[in-house]
Amino acid sequence: RKEVEQDPGPFNVPEGATVAFNCTYSNSASQSFFWYRQDCRKEPKLLMSVYSSGNEDGRFTAQLNRASQYISLLIRDSKLSDSATYLCVVPPPGGQNFVFGPGTRLSVLP
Amino acid sequence: SQTIHQWPATLVQPVGSPLSLECTVEGTSNPNLYWYRQAAGRGLQLLFYSVGIGQISSEVPQNLSASRPQDRQFILSSKKLLLSDSGFYLCAWNRLGTDTQYFGPGTRLTVL
Repeated sequence: RKEVEQDPGPFNVPEGATVAFNCTYSNSASQSFFWYRQDCRKEPKLLMSVYSSGNEDGRFTAQLNRASQYISLLIRDSKLSDSATYLCVVPPPGGQNFVFGPGTRLSVLP
Repeated sequence: SQTIHQWPATLVQPVGSPLSLECTVEGTSNPNLYWYRQAAGRGLQLLFYSVGIGQISSEVPQNLSASRPQDRQFILSSKKLLLSDSGFYLCAWNRLGTDTQYFGPGTRLTVL
């Protein structure tokens, strides 16, 4: 099993739709989790961090399920500007070799 | 506030030529520093990380090397580039004791 796996996508959704992505991780000792968004040919930018069961920021909600070792990202009322690749990151407990998932590409269509 | 710089933004180099990419961080001290590579359409691959001056850890065998001559400076080098070295090179940092990484704008390298 890979350390971090994500829904491969692409997800093509209409404006206003609700969409959810999943990210599974293999290290049960992991304590923190992050979602980044990466626009085409740009650097990843931090979207949300998750340290406990979940986090919410406007239209974005991240949820953590430790028992099943996955985190999800829910986007409500999708905007055209949400089109990007969403990266899941799981830092290693006490280490520095951050592991990024391969990313899930989202296209919000007019 | 903290900022991270990378240069050059784009680079086209012939096979066999040397490489030097530079990354600097402003507004913080003793950051952890990272070099990642992202091949076209692929995920991020961690190449090197550094927890202090002169301290470099390598994650994958390759013809690249990294150095940290100053606290907030991280350099990625190669003596002879390969075609497979083409990609988007990203420098990142995080504050000691925290997990949140911040990325520089990246260098897009094409090896011909």
